[in-house]
Amino acid sequence: AQKVTQAQTEISVVEKEDVTLDCVYETRDTTYYLFWYKQPPSGELVFLIRRNSFDEQNEISGRYSWNFQKSTSSFNFTITASQVVDSAVYFCALSEAKGSGAGSYQLTFGKGTKLSVIP
Amino acid sequence: DSGVTQTPKHLITATGQRVTLRCSPRSGDLSVYWYQQSLDQGLQFLIQYYNGEERAKGNILERFSAQQFPDLHSELNLSSLELGDSALYFCASSLYPSTDTQYFGPGTRLTVL
Repeated sequence: AQKVTQAQTEISVVEKEDVTLDCVYETRDTTYYLFWYKQPPSGELVFLIRRNSFDEQNEISGRYSWNFQKSTSSFNFTITASQVVDSAVYFCALSEAKGSGAGSYQLTFGKGTKLSVIP
Repeated sequence: DSGVTQTPKHLITATGQRVTLRCSPRSGDLSVYWYQQSLDQGLQFLIQYYNGEERAKGNILERFSAQQFPDLHSELNLSSLELGDSALYFCASSLYPSTDTQYFGPGTRLTVL
């Protein structure tokens, strides 16, 4: 079974600090996709980033960056120069092919990391 | 705004009742997914539809059912409600039932009293 572990339950940082959210996953699939979603206090789930298992190139997008390492099954997410608006619960997720039919997929989510950015 | 709409936003009902949650996917998306978010279970996949057909089932109770209509909107029906069914129910959509990014609606918060 596929599994996503976010060991950090809660993190507090002071505004403008950098913060890294950890994610470790387990899968037997050779092709898979990893995602980060943000859930602000308002409750909606907002897509942030997506990564394919066959592309380990790490990228930066604005204040967001991610570090994908297949060797350690980790997909960590970093926010640079954090802002109060970054306060939210962040979820790491792994796509999983499910069911016997083609095109059957679900997301397996970690338990989330609550980030509080203090002004 | 993801483009996925869900109604109602909040729903309060009593044990034993039946409710229907509605979801409209993003324009052009053919696949719809339902997830449940509760404090003890976290975010869990319930069921997936593609172009009107059920494609995958997760931890969905027998008291729950869903369908996707020809206009691609989807409904999740919850019956014989129990206190433990209180949760935030999300709908997500993607273009195809593949590893396309799933975009989530704002959710329906269900409270069972």
